[in-house]
Amino acid sequence: EVQVVESGGGLVQPGGSLRLSCAGSGFTLSSSWMSWLRQAPGKGLEWVANIKHDGGEKYYVDSVKGRFTISRDNAKNSLYLQMNSLRAEDTAIYYCARDGAGYSIDWGQGTLVTVSS
Amino acid sequence: DIQMTQSPSTLSASVGDRVTITCRASQSITTSLAWYQQKPGKAPNVLIYKASSLQSGVPSRFSGSGSGTEFTLTISSLQPDDFATYYCQQHNSYPRTFGQGTKVEIK
Repeated sequence: EVQVVESGGGLVQPGGSLRLSCAGSGFTLSSSWMSWLRQAPGKGLEWVANIKHDGGEKYYVDSVKGRFTISRDNAKNSLYLQMNSLRAEDTAIYYCARDGAGYSIDWGQGTLVTVSS
Repeated sequence: DIQMTQSPSTLSASVGDRVTITCRASQSITTSLAWYQQKPGKAPNVLIYKASSLQSGVPSRFSGSGSGTEFTLTISSLQPDDFATYYCQQHNSYPRTFGQGTKVEIK
């Protein structure tokens, strides 16, 4: 069974940093594109970033470019999202997902990030 | 960025109804469109990819069609488990973008 589990969310002050992690099981993470997506409270879905199976390509939504970094460690079956210079508008549930041909197939249950003073 | 617009935003329907949701792209995305279902407090689940391909395990009452800029998701006979919010997403170019969602409510 494919499983994706996020961790690392929490409360952080504006301007602070947080690192999210995602552990995959039941599939070969090293062969998969992986994505981070988010959903602000009561709002719709937003794609944040994705990364090629070998880490050789990375893409970001404009609102996080220069602040967030997606990375992976295939040996540990893990995906990461380093989030710096956090803003109130980054408050959301962050989902990790295994991608198919451009869309997200298997989603985790999400981890809540709250940016507030 | 490609803008995705869904209609309607909210839809009231009864069990057994045929339901259609529309998604329009601001420019052609060929058939690079996915549909997701999300229930309250849960992660989304993919229903359809490449506009009309049914994801494994998804009931056949769900179908998708369209190409270019206009797409539809159809539920042939609405079931109690189908009351949820539905999102379209283009996967033709970066950044990937979603529609604003369509909430299907019980009439």
